Amino acid sequence: QVQLQESGPGLLKESETLTLTCTVSGGSVTTSYWAWIRRPPGKGLEWIGCYYYGGITKYNPSFRSRATVLIETTRNHFSLSLTSVTAADTAEYFCARFGYSYANGAWQYFDLWGQGTQVTVSS
Amino acid sequence: SSALSQPPSVSVAPGQTATFTCGGSNIASNSVHWYQRKPGQAPVLVLYDEVDRPSGIPERFFGSRSGNTATLSISGVEAGDEADYYCQVWDGSSDPVLFGGGTKLIVL
Repeated sequence: QVQLQESGPGLLKESETLTLTCTVSGGSVTTSYWAWIRRPPGKGLEWIGCYYYGGITKYNPSFRSRATVLIETTRNHFSLSLTSVTAADTAEYFCARFGYSYANGAWQYFDLWGQGTQVTVSS
Repeated sequence: SSALSQPPSVSVAPGQTATFTCGGSNIASNSVHWYQRKPGQAPVLVLYDEVDRPSGIPERFFGSRSGNTATLSISGVEAGDEADYYCQVWDGSSDPVLFGGGTKLIVL
């Protein structure tokens, strides 16, 4: 069965670039669509961006072009880069796979998630 | 973009029914999906398209929608159901992915 595992630096300093990787095991990164989601401490889930149907990427405007999602087929993983991080980017980060809504004829929810990786940004 | 509103916590005794609400103007015209997240574990999809359960999710989990409010209910609550529950919609007309703030289930 398909599993997702996030990996990343854990700790970085303000103004640095955060790069996270989600390794897909038991399946291929080319056969689904993928997303990054985070949960800041004491808050709810926040969508960051995704690699979606048709090979397009979509992003939460709140990240104002700081975020980039890439698919690396040779390594069977996808990644998130977030530039110019601040303490507000401290959060638990999740990767997730899109599920298909037959009711709506579109990929609209997340049927598989990674366990999450904690990222702390220090000043 | 507008957020989805969820109460911060719900408390129920074992065996009772827990009800979680999710409100927002996006809900009337979009399907709602629900997730369970236990500390240290990957979030789990428990309902999609308001009422459909993924394989492995028991029938105790069921959902509904009326107007701008969606509801997830868990009947016969067990201690193992303690978790945070999040609602989510895909709204193609705006920021596509919206989550609620989550509701913590406390089993008394």
